[in-house]
Amino acid sequence: DTAVSQTPKYLVTQMGNDKSIKCEQNLGHDTMYWYKQDSKKFLKIMFSYNNKELIINETVPNRFSPKSPDKAHLNLHINSLELGDSAVYFCASSPRHTPSYEQYFGPGTRLTVT
Amino acid sequence: QKEVEQNSGPLSVPEGAIASLNCTYSDRVSQSFFWYRQYSGKSPELIMSIYSNGDKEDGRFTAQLNKASQYVSLLIRDSQPSDSATYLCAVNDYKLSFGAGTTVTVRA
Repeated sequence: DTAVSQTPKYLVTQMGNDKSIKCEQNLGHDTMYWYKQDSKKFLKIMFSYNNKELIINETVPNRFSPKSPDKAHLNLHINSLELGDSAVYFCASSPRHTPSYEQYFGPGTRLTVT
Repeated sequence: QKEVEQNSGPLSVPEGAIASLNCTYSDRVSQSFFWYRQYSGKSPELIMSIYSNGDKEDGRFTAQLNKASQYVSLLIRDSQPSDSATYLCAVNDYKLSFGAGTTVTVRA
């Protein structure tokens, strides 16, 4: 009965490759997010989807492309991976797209680019 | 990105003591504030939310908000070794803006 799940948990790949991370929530929430936590542990928003619609797109390189096939799923595809993409990527969800609602995080995907 | 600043750590407290964590934010119109706890290698876990000025208590945790001073704090009473973690202050303006976190170590 995992609330927010991500696959894979670990991802090791070489520079230049393309990879995807998947996220699913079974909470019935409308809004989902991708966050990046770098080596200094700073957590920063990347994207947000509300009912499959992109609503937040921070200054993220075009190599990152999110996709939401339905409101329970949010995937992240990364093209031409670079060393600087190494980080932990967290998916999160929230009941509604309003500031008063809490966000709940998935377990994270640790991406290592060599 | 809106700025959220936390007091620099690490913070070391003896078991049973009070741990005090501070956070300031730059956007005066921010309305929703959260404290997350993150154990090493784990995901952030929500422990407190606060929206109105004053104190909010939940078990051993008390969050305090002062919007005029743009300040939010978290007190952990009767600190336990299991409280050893990084605590993240977050401000929600349709997206969470996080502080850098304060690492707390509770000495047994």
